[in-house]
Amino acid sequence: DTGVSQDPRHKITKRGQNVTFRCDPISEHNRLYWYRQTLGQGPEFLTYFQNEAQLEKSRLLSDRFSAERPKGSFSTLEIQRTEQGDSAMYLCASSSKTSGYNEQFFGPGTRLTVL
Amino acid sequence: AQSVTQLDSQVPVFEEAPVELRCNYSSSVSVYLFWYVQYPNQGLQLLLKYLSGSTLVESINGFEAEFNKSQTSFHLRKPSVHISDTAEYFCAVSPLYSGAGSYQLTFGKGTKLSVIP
Repeated sequence: DTGVSQDPRHKITKRGQNVTFRCDPISEHNRLYWYRQTLGQGPEFLTYFQNEAQLEKSRLLSDRFSAERPKGSFSTLEIQRTEQGDSAMYLCASSSKTSGYNEQFFGPGTRLTVL
Repeated sequence: AQSVTQLDSQVPVFEEAPVELRCNYSSSVSVYLFWYVQYPNQGLQLLLKYLSGSTLVESINGFEAEFNKSQTSFHLRKPSVHISDTAEYFCAVSPLYSGAGSYQLTFGKGTKLSVIP
């Protein structure tokens, strides 16, 4: 159990560019979550996967955002045509039936800065 | 839907003094309750959780929280803080039952605890 990992840890981009983040959950965790944390706020739910199926999306997830989990293991979060308002920490978490689905384990996050 | 209110955005406290970080929640359904801690430039770590049973839950590093259903509160306490407790603390809830099965967490805005030597 190596924990949830995220890559990159930091990303600086110019407005209008596309960015992609990766999350590797704890192995055999079949549930994977994405959250966004802006300055001075708690994390906010973006979307959730059970295995490869994306089962729930927040209204925060605009059309410019897309998430995938093609083989039910790692996940990617892509933001197209980034805007300054997208600057935030993007957190990934995973959970399993064994650990109790309601207990989520978080990665270190990817901090995005849009100039 | 759920919401979480953390009444204090910043709490300074002297080393070895007691501390209480307040958390109130609102929910139309029964919830599980959590406290997470975030150290600078790190992700969230689960500090403690209330799922059922005894309303007083404890962590391994001396924190405790008590679930009060009538007051819809889950305040976090420690009788004597250390410098290493300096961090941001987040209270969170998730529903006992979720139609979509996500059990997504709803967080408060966080409380920054600063321990003063």
